[in-house]
Amino acid sequence: RKEVEQDPGPFNVPEGATVAFNCTYSNSASQSFFWYRQDCRKEPKLLMSVYSSGNEDGRFTAQLNRASQYISLLIRDSKLSDSATYLCVVRYSGAGSYQLTFGKGTKLSVIP
Amino acid sequence: DGGITQSPKYLFRKEGQNVTLSCEQNLNHDAMYWYRQDPGQGLRLIYYSQIVNDFQKGDIAEGYSVSREKKESFPLTVTSAQKNPTAFYLCASSTPSRNTEAFFGQGTRLTVV
Repeated sequence: RKEVEQDPGPFNVPEGATVAFNCTYSNSASQSFFWYRQDCRKEPKLLMSVYSSGNEDGRFTAQLNRASQYISLLIRDSKLSDSATYLCVVRYSGAGSYQLTFGKGTKLSVIP
Repeated sequence: DGGITQSPKYLFRKEGQNVTLSCEQNLNHDAMYWYRQDPGQGLRLIYYSQIVNDFQKGDIAEGYSVSREKKESFPLTVTSAQKNPTAFYLCASSTPSRNTEAFFGQGTRLTVV
């Protein structure tokens, strides 16, 4: 079974804090990895792709450990506007298809 | 502007009725997906299509049907066989390339009354 597991949260953090989310995936054939952000009652939107060497986009850092089948997202200097649910997404290939599998998401609330 | 459009945004259905949710994209994407999301839950795959005239069942296909007669369109029918259809339905599309993300429509919120 192809599964993606995330910290369930919720994470309640003060403004300015650093927070980290973890995600594990079970299918070693997984090809690519993403973090999406979903605001309440809205569609998910891509936050960032996750590259093998790790990557950073402003206050956000994503890392991938293929050996441990583990992905992480680090948010530094949290803002109120970061409050949302963060979805870990894994894309794997098999029999010519490229399915996307979503984790259940981790809810973040940044508190003034 | 390129994008993916779902309609309607809100839909009310009586028990025993079939309803069809529309999903159209002008991104020239080959792959399209339907997901269901229940309150406080993650996205679960209903059906996906990698190419025109072909589609595959996802994890929760029972009570749903789809068609893919055109590249840009992937409608989802929620049939009366779906026992608990009230949910948020999300359509997505992507290219089949390995490192490309999926783009989502704004979703349809279906309520059975």
